[in-house]
Amino acid sequence: GAVVSQHPSWVICKSGTSVKIECRSLDFQATTMFWYRQFPKQSLMLMATSNEGSKATYEQGVEKDKFLINHASLTLSTLTVTSAHPEDSSFYICSARDRELAGGRGQYFGPGTRLTVT
Amino acid sequence: DAKTTQPTSMDCAEGRAANLPCNHSTISGNEYVYWYRQIHSQGPQYIIHGLKNNETNEMASLIITEDRKSSTLILPHATLRDTAVYYCIVKASYDKVIFGPGTSLSVIP
Repeated sequence: GAVVSQHPSWVICKSGTSVKIECRSLDFQATTMFWYRQFPKQSLMLMATSNEGSKATYEQGVEKDKFLINHASLTLSTLTVTSAHPEDSSFYICSARDRELAGGRGQYFGPGTRLTVT
Repeated sequence: DAKTTQPTSMDCAEGRAANLPCNHSTISGNEYVYWYRQIHSQGPQYIIHGLKNNETNEMASLIITEDRKSSTLILPHATLRDTAVYYCIVKASYDKVIFGPGTSLSVIP
């Protein structure tokens, strides 16, 4: 089946620094990728949708200048948390939609990245 | 407004069938019923989806009522590894996945 990877799986950074999270579709091409955030004991919240070669679309309330998303190729999207603060500590999950199987079950999820900001 | 309603939590004895209900009374004709689950600290895992017919795969069965206003996910022989949050999602096939609170299923030895 289709596999989505994320790197790193966990990261600790100091307040004020920036951290980049990578999301890759390993065996399929993804024209669309999605970024979610999940706080403890809460559901996943969609942050933004990125399409290859174009600007990301952010959900209401998500700061686009703080969460920079780049979808430079059909297999890679990156999320950069800029000037991270402790309240940005969360579980970040990406998802990729298979261009060939965009309908049906064609949205696949990565394993998540645990970000802790100290 | 939420498109689906699920119980907050459920328990199931190991080895027994787990039946997870979902109400989606406002489902549109082009919307499917999808089920995902999330085991603690992992990414969501696709389970099954259907439009109006009942569906079965190696993981589960999906029973959709004739009026499509509700459905039930059935795990035929629950194991401890099935302990997870189960999400029922209604969406058109090309729409993005939006998660509600889901049902926290605890499989008890």
